Amino acid sequence: DQQVKQNSPSLSVQEGRISILNCDYTNSMFDYFLWYKKYPAEGPTFLISISSIKDKNEDGRFTVFLNKSAKHLSLHIVPSQPGDSAVYFCAARKPVGNEKLTFGTGTRLTIIP
Amino acid sequence: ETGVTQSPTHLIKTRGQQVTLRCSSQSGHNTVSWYQQALGQGPQFIFQYYREEENGRGNFPPRFSGLQFPNYSSELNVNALELDDSALYLCASSSQINEKLFFGSGTQLSVL
Repeated sequence: DQQVKQNSPSLSVQEGRISILNCDYTNSMFDYFLWYKKYPAEGPTFLISISSIKDKNEDGRFTVFLNKSAKHLSLHIVPSQPGDSAVYFCAARKPVGNEKLTFGTGTRLTIIP
Repeated sequence: ETGVTQSPTHLIKTRGQQVTLRCSSQSGHNTVSWYQQALGQGPQFIFQYYREEENGRGNFPPRFSGLQFPNYSSELNVNALELDDSALYLCASSSQINEKLFFGSGTQLSVL
């Protein structure tokens, strides 16, 4: 039962353009969402998060949008840079007191110079 | 400030054997979580330890067990290895439960 889904295994974007990575979830109990970035031979690193009480969170070039009614979130990267090439994982968590992160299967982003 | 370190980086075992993976948490962190990432999948939660006690477990059989030590380092033990246990095992630490996770680079386990 895949509760967090990233339906695009891969995405290629021209350098300088916008990258949009999508994530859908099925469990309405999730109230906190995170994006992690993973380079080969490294562990995932935290990128940005959003609480369910918000619909947008911005950090520099990265913006996460949350549509609770659609159970959908997206990560926007503007402008895309070659160093952004990595696998991006969406993750979700239930309310405080629950320690588990549920991850999607990841999207491999390739930025074309 | 040292990050999360895991050892070994790679390991090859045969079916039926037992394995121990180790993790040193980031300085100041008292919570350690273990995740299994199979090829082409996202990380899946195995369990979490907080102040040396198990604080939640995912859908993994009892042959997956763990320990956390007084210095907050941790071990993941897997008994009776199966071929499907081949995966990247990730350790993550945090300063408190539900705080941001900092991941190590993982141990790549191959079961033949």
